Amino acid sequence: DGGITQSPKYLFRKEGQNVTLSCEQNLNHDAMYWYRQDPGQGLRLIYYSQIVNDFQKGDIAEGYSVSREKKESFPLTVTSAQKNPTAFYLCASSIKGIGAGEQYFGPGTRLTVT
Amino acid sequence: QQPVQSPQAVILREGEDAVINCSSSKALYSVHWYRQKHGEAPVFLMILLKGGEQKGHEKISASFNEKKQQSSLYLTASQLSYSGTYFCGTERSASNTGKLIFGQGTTLQVKP
Repeated sequence: DGGITQSPKYLFRKEGQNVTLSCEQNLNHDAMYWYRQDPGQGLRLIYYSQIVNDFQKGDIAEGYSVSREKKESFPLTVTSAQKNPTAFYLCASSIKGIGAGEQYFGPGTRLTVT
Repeated sequence: QQPVQSPQAVILREGEDAVINCSSSKALYSVHWYRQKHGEAPVFLMILLKGGEQKGHEKISASFNEKKQQSSLYLTASQLSYSGTYFCGTERSASNTGKLIFGQGTTLQVKP
C-alpha cells in the first residue's frame, strides 16, 4: 500500500535537546511538506520541498531544520532554539505540478517537550 | 493572510445541513478542503479552481466565488461520520510550490 509514514507516533524530550521526526513516503511524490498544528488551530507550514536537495522555509521555520537527500524521505529536526516545540507535527506529500495538488498526510507525531 | 473560516463550530443532528465558509482578503487561485478527525491526519475532500466552479463529493459539495474571494462547503443530510474539523487551504497563484495557507478550522459535531 502506498502512503506516508511518520514515526514515532508519540515523542517525549527534555528541553534543550534536539529531536528528529521521521517522514517517509512511497507515493513517488516530488513535493513534501511539514506542518505544525496546535490545539484549536489550523495547519502552519514549517518547511516544504519540491525536489531532492532543495527546500524552502514556510511561515514558521525558526527553530526547525530539514533535509531532502532522498525523494522518499523528508526528516524534520526540532532544535533547542524552537521556543515552544510541543505540538502535533504532520508531514504531507503531493505530486508536483502547476498549482497545489491534493496533499496526502501522514498520521502525525505528537511531540511533548518538558 | 490566513483565510477566515466561519462558523468556528457547528452542532447538528443527523440529517441536518450545514454550510462552512472560507474567506480571504486576497485574490485566490484555488481553495482546498480537508477534514480531520480528532487525533488523525487531515483527509482531502476537494479542490476548487478559480472560475466559480462547484464540486461534489457524495453529499458534500463546495463552491468558489473568486470575485468575493470566498468558498463555501455544503454538507447535506449530515451523517455521524461527518463529524470532525474542516479546514480550507488557499493558494493565491498558480505557482508550482504547492504551498497552501490554511484557515483555523471549523469543528462540526453531528449527533444522533
